Amino acid sequence: SQTIHQWPATLVQPVGSPLSLECTVEGTSNPNLYWYRQAAGRGLQLLFYSVGIGQISSEVPQNLSASRPQDRQFILSSKKLLLSDSGFYLCAWGDSPRGETQYFGPGTRLLVL
Amino acid sequence: GENVEQHPSTLSVQEGDSAVIKCTYSDSASNYFPWYKQELGKRPQLIIDIRSNVGEKKDQRIAVTLNKTAKHFSLHITETQPEDSAVYFCAVLNSGYSTLTFGKGTMLLVSP
Repeated sequence: SQTIHQWPATLVQPVGSPLSLECTVEGTSNPNLYWYRQAAGRGLQLLFYSVGIGQISSEVPQNLSASRPQDRQFILSSKKLLLSDSGFYLCAWGDSPRGETQYFGPGTRLLVL
Repeated sequence: GENVEQHPSTLSVQEGDSAVIKCTYSDSASNYFPWYKQELGKRPQLIIDIRSNVGEKKDQRIAVTLNKTAKHFSLHITETQPEDSAVYFCAVLNSGYSTLTFGKGTMLLVSP
């Protein structure tokens, strides 16, 4: 069966520091991969998605970037965090070429101080 | 792009009552509509989905109905229980893309 991992689970970072969040998927090949952010009490905002290694589409221009160095690995990064980057970061994978059904990872809770 | 409206934003019911959450969308070419449940502090989890070639789908106490003409779909929960308390999100697959557009969520509170 497929599983999706994210780490770290929680993170407290100062403003201006760098960020690296990692997501890996097991039990499937060539999945679509997604990064979402959820602010406290708010909805799901799609940040990036990838349909293959090295292929990244950005939905919202901001100080974040994403990379997919391996088929089942998706990384979210920032060079300098802002206070507004605080939130719950969710990675998801899609089980078909069109990414219809998406399954979410456990998430990383980021607090920028 | 796709525009998804979800109502109500909060819904309070007594245990045993039914709950209905409705979503409307804008792109008539959309053909896949999932619903997710997110408990406090947890990840969203898929609870039911429907495709455009089906008008209704049931899974025990939950059901989803789709009206393609009117471009709306609804989640129905019968015999609600306290453990149904959560935030529910509808979503629509963006036609021609591999992404979902989510509604803003409905917080369902089921009182014992």
